[in-house]
Amino acid sequence: SQQGEEDPQALSIQEGENATMNCSYKTSINNLQWYRQNSGRGLVHLILIRSNEREKHSGRLRVTLDTSKKSSSLLITASRAADTASYFCATDEDDYKLSFGAGTTVTVRA
Amino acid sequence: EAGVTQFPSHSVIEKGQTVTLRCDPISGHDNLYWYRRVMGKEIKFLLHFVKESKQDESGMPNNRFLAERTGGTYSTLKVQPAELEDSGVYFCASSQYRETVFGQGTRLTVV
Repeated sequence: SQQGEEDPQALSIQEGENATMNCSYKTSINNLQWYRQNSGRGLVHLILIRSNEREKHSGRLRVTLDTSKKSSSLLITASRAADTASYFCATDEDDYKLSFGAGTTVTVRA
Repeated sequence: EAGVTQFPSHSVIEKGQTVTLRCDPISGHDNLYWYRRVMGKEIKFLLHFVKESKQDESGMPNNRFLAERTGGTYSTLKVQPAELEDSGVYFCASSQYRETVFGQGTRLTVV
C-alpha cells in the first residue's frame, strides 16, 4: 500500500526562489527519508529524519516532521537549475522496507 | 566506498523475451531490495533479501519475476517472459542500518 504521498504533484519556480513540498503518511514510522531523482538517473538520498526529530538541515535543504499530523515538508532554499528533479518521501513501513509516494516534480526555470 | 551498482543502465527488449537485471550492493550490506517505478507512478517495493534469504517478496507482481541473491552478495532480477507493462525503472538498494542507498536504476523498455 502507498504510505507516503507528496503534495503538490508538480512545482515550477524561478531560480533563486524557495521550493516547498509536503508529504503525508498513514501509519506510525521510525524514520522518514527524502530522495531525489534527476531525469534518467537513480535515486539520491537527501536526508533522513528520525521520528523523535522535528527539524533537520542539510545545506540548502530543510526537513520538518510532525508525527502528530503524520506529515513532513521539504524546503529547498535558493533553488538552482540543477535542483530540477522529482522528489520523493519514503517511510519505513516495516522495519527496512520503504514506502514511497508518487513524488513531486520540481522544475526550476533559469 | 563504491555505491550500489546496477547493470545494465538501459535495456530494450521485445515482448516475450527474457531480461536479467543485476545489482551489486554496498559491500557488507546484508539487506538488499528491489523497487520499480512504472510509467512515472510511485516507486513500489518488490522484494527484500537479508543476506541470501528472501525476507519479503510481497511486492513481486507475478511469477514472471524471479529474484535471486546467490551467496548473499549480488542479486539478479529476471523477467521471463517480459510484457509491455513491465517497462519502467528498476531500482536496487541496500542498507545495513537506517539509511537505504539506491543504485542508478535500470531503465527497462519492452516493445
